[in-house]
Amino acid sequence: EIVMTQSPDTLSVSPGERATLSCRASQSVSSNLAWYQQRPGQAPRLLIYGASTRATGIPARFRGSGSGTEFTLTISSLQSEDLAIYYCQQYNNWPPRYTFGQGTKLEIK
Amino acid sequence: QLQLQEAGPGLVKPSETLPLTCVVSGGSISSSDYYWGWVRQPPGKGLEWIASIYYSGSSYYSPSLKSRVTISADTSKNRFSLNLRSVTAEDTAVYYCVRLAYTDWSHWYFDLWGRGTLVTVSS
Repeated sequence: EIVMTQSPDTLSVSPGERATLSCRASQSVSSNLAWYQQRPGQAPRLLIYGASTRATGIPARFRGSGSGTEFTLTISSLQSEDLAIYYCQQYNNWPPRYTFGQGTKLEIK
Repeated sequence: QLQLQEAGPGLVKPSETLPLTCVVSGGSISSSDYYWGWVRQPPGKGLEWIASIYYSGSSYYSPSLKSRVTISADTSKNRFSLNLRSVTAEDTAVYYCVRLAYTDWSHWYFDLWGRGTLVTVSS
């Protein structure tokens, strides 16, 4: 099983500042990596797939990067609505063995 | 706009079977472009993939749950279902139905999520 590890567990950032979230895979997943946002009390929402492609309707301030085992989600100019838990997920295997990171909780200072 | 709506019992007794259904509206589960599946989230915890199915019936399961889970699709009713057998308190979770899209045929990600349904396992 591919283990996904996110860091930090919690991140506190001021409005207008940049947030950088990390995700590491225990083995290479190429670019088969997605990021999801889960706001309080809501279902997760797809932000990024293919490590760097924004999903439909996702603002340009969300940027994904990386490949192999190291990935980053950068949120520039943080807004209050970005308060959420962010999960990375790999989908590299076939047959599928999808696994998620434990999540990073983003707090707004 | 396609929507996913979960339906479940809310409360299930230990050792019983948990039945879940996802009704799809605004689109067809018979589309060749998508898989359909289930993801769960225990209260205050992270996300766990359970199973996925294609309209043709091709299905895949999480190795940790495979022995207790069956996923099925009913194209005539445009819905898909999950049965989780022999439940315990550890199966208490919000269960989400999801749609999977692909970057290429062997790589699928969760592009659309239902709102989720909380299922509690308790006597």
